[in-house]
Amino acid sequence: EVQLVESGGGLVQPGRSLKLSCAASGFTFSDYAMAWVRQAPKKGLEWVATIIYDGSSTYYRDSVKGRFTISRDNAKSTLYLQMDSLRSEDTATYYCARHSHWELGVMDAWGQGASVTVSS
Amino acid sequence: DIQMTQSPASLSASLGETVTIECRASEDIYNGLAWYQQKPGKSPQLLIYNANSLHTGVPSRFSGSGSGTQYSLKINSLQSEDVASYFCQQYYDYPYTFGAGTKLELK
Repeated sequence: EVQLVESGGGLVQPGRSLKLSCAASGFTFSDYAMAWVRQAPKKGLEWVATIIYDGSSTYYRDSVKGRFTISRDNAKSTLYLQMDSLRSEDTATYYCARHSHWELGVMDAWGQGASVTVSS
Repeated sequence: DIQMTQSPASLSASLGETVTIECRASEDIYNGLAWYQQKPGKSPQLLIYNANSLHTGVPSRFSGSGSGTQYSLKINSLQSEDVASYFCQQYYDYPYTFGAGTKLELK
């Protein structure tokens, strides 16, 4: 069974940093591109970043470029999101998602989410 | 960025009814379109990809259609477990973008 378990969320002050982790199991992690998608309270879904299977390429939405870094450790089957210079508008539930093997942009498995609140 | 306009924002339907949700892209996305279902308090789940391909394990009462800039999700014979929010997503180009969602409730 595919499992994605996020951790590392919490309350953080504006301008500070936070690092999310996503532990993957039930599939060969190193074969798949992975993504982070966020959802602000009572709002829709917003793609944040994608990293391809070997970590050699990464993609970000403009609003997080230069502040967030997506990375992975294939030996540990773990995905990360380093979030620096956090802003109130980054407050959201952050989901780790697996990209489909055959349709890269499709996200065919999702974690339960990690809540991030940016507030003083 | 490609804008995804989803309608309606909310929908109320009876058990057994057929419902349709629409999604319009701001440019041609060449069938690079997925639909997700999100039940209250849960994470999203993939329903449809490539505009009309049913994801493994998804009931056949769900179907997708469309091309170019216009796409739709149809749910036949609505069941109580279909109460959820539904989101379209284009993956033709970065940044991937989602529609604002449709909240489906039972009448």
